[in-house]
Amino acid sequence: KQEVTQIPAALSVPEGENLVLNCSFTDSAIYNLQWFRQDPGKGLTSLLLIQSSQREQTSGRLNASLDKSSGRSTLYIAASQPGDSATYLCAGYNNAGNMLTFGGGTRLMVKP
Amino acid sequence: EPEVTQTPSHQVTQMGQEVILRCVPISNHLYFYWYRQILGQKVEFLVSFYNNEISEKSEIFDDQFSVERPDGSNFTLKIRSTKLEDSAMYFCASRRTGGDWSNQPQHFGDGTRLSIL
Repeated sequence: KQEVTQIPAALSVPEGENLVLNCSFTDSAIYNLQWFRQDPGKGLTSLLLIQSSQREQTSGRLNASLDKSSGRSTLYIAASQPGDSATYLCAGYNNAGNMLTFGGGTRLMVKP
Repeated sequence: EPEVTQTPSHQVTQMGQEVILRCVPISNHLYFYWYRQILGQKVEFLVSFYNNEISEKSEIFDDQFSVERPDGSNFTLKIRSTKLEDSAMYFCASRRTGGDWSNQPQHFGDGTRLSIL
């Protein structure tokens, strides 16, 4: 059974800092991996999807990597801003694309 | 940008009552999902639905749960006899299909907060 873990559970950084959020998974047979942002009381906003055949994806100040052999994914946020404050979730797809297994999230606070 | 919409945003129900949560997926999407998030816990997969049938379900999705696509736009989750432990945020998601599914992310709604009293 796939288990997804995110460390740290919470992170507080000053504005402008570059930061890395970590995601690890137990089953290297994970197919794709998706990163989400969740604001308090809101739904999940998709940030990046990394396909099984890819090693990284970039969108603006965000860069996500996937290393299936080590069971890890990272989300890099460049030049963090207070508006980046949210919970960031990673989730892995099974090979049929039918279900996502989520990590517990990292709650990020960027202080002005 | 097209969105997944869910109604109601908050549902309060007495234990033992039936509840129906509603979702309108993105219009050209054909795969539909329900997830739930109990307060303070991880988001958990419940069920996936394609071509008018369940394609996968978790052990959480027992006989108390059912899903339906009653018309061309709505996708519903029914809980027959609610329990206190059903209190959670329920998220609907959809995904486009056809072609290479592997580059198609799931898109989530804002959720329905279900409170069982």
